[in-house]
Amino acid sequence: EPEVTQTPSHQVTQMGQEVILRCVPISNHLYFYWYRQILGQKVEFLVSFYNNEISEKSEIFDDQFSVERPDGSNFTLKIRSTKLEDSAMYFCASKENRDDYGYTFGSGTRLTVV
Amino acid sequence: GNSVTQMEGPVTLSEEAFLTINCTYTATGYPSLFWYVQYPGEGLQLLLKATKADDKGSNKGFEATYRKETTSFHLEKGSVQVSDSAVYFCALIDDRGSTLGRLYFGRGTQLTVWP
Repeated sequence: EPEVTQTPSHQVTQMGQEVILRCVPISNHLYFYWYRQILGQKVEFLVSFYNNEISEKSEIFDDQFSVERPDGSNFTLKIRSTKLEDSAMYFCASKENRDDYGYTFGSGTRLTVV
Repeated sequence: GNSVTQMEGPVTLSEEAFLTINCTYTATGYPSLFWYVQYPGEGLQLLLKATKADDKGSNKGFEATYRKETTSFHLEKGSVQVSDSAVYFCALIDDRGSTLGRLYFGRGTQLTVWP
């Protein structure tokens, strides 16, 4: 069964450093998402992406965050200058059609900012 | 606004016990409701869904009924197995408000089933 692949599975970074979280969505999917879950809290929407541009973003997704689809396969989330409160599990998801409820999620990247 | 509240975990049960995980929601429009499951080391997987009031979603022995009058979507299973041990997330999409189907999740409930 096709999978969404996220790398790395765990990343530790120092406060103030830039991090890039990588995702390879399913090849025929067109809609891409990032969510995150701070330990003990809800899974929160960050951003949705379609046709090489951001479609929607939450209040969490401020100027420190950016997303990119640099080639035909990768979908990346960059945090420019990490803060302690960015420590969370970050999930990438994709789906084929706009009205499709069949999201496929990756297994997540656990980001720890020290 | 849109939000989902689900039962605090962890939930620990013996095999063949009855499971209920409560979920209630608030929504500005007419949401579709979902249960996702996350097994250890894997991504969130759609378990079941219901798109309108009184619909019942079911899969792998799990069921949930969309109750508009109580704004609830409780997950139930009559006889759990060890292999059901996972984290369960209740979620909604408010179709009117989102361009690409943004999901609103609860916190997740950890279920552990002992043999």
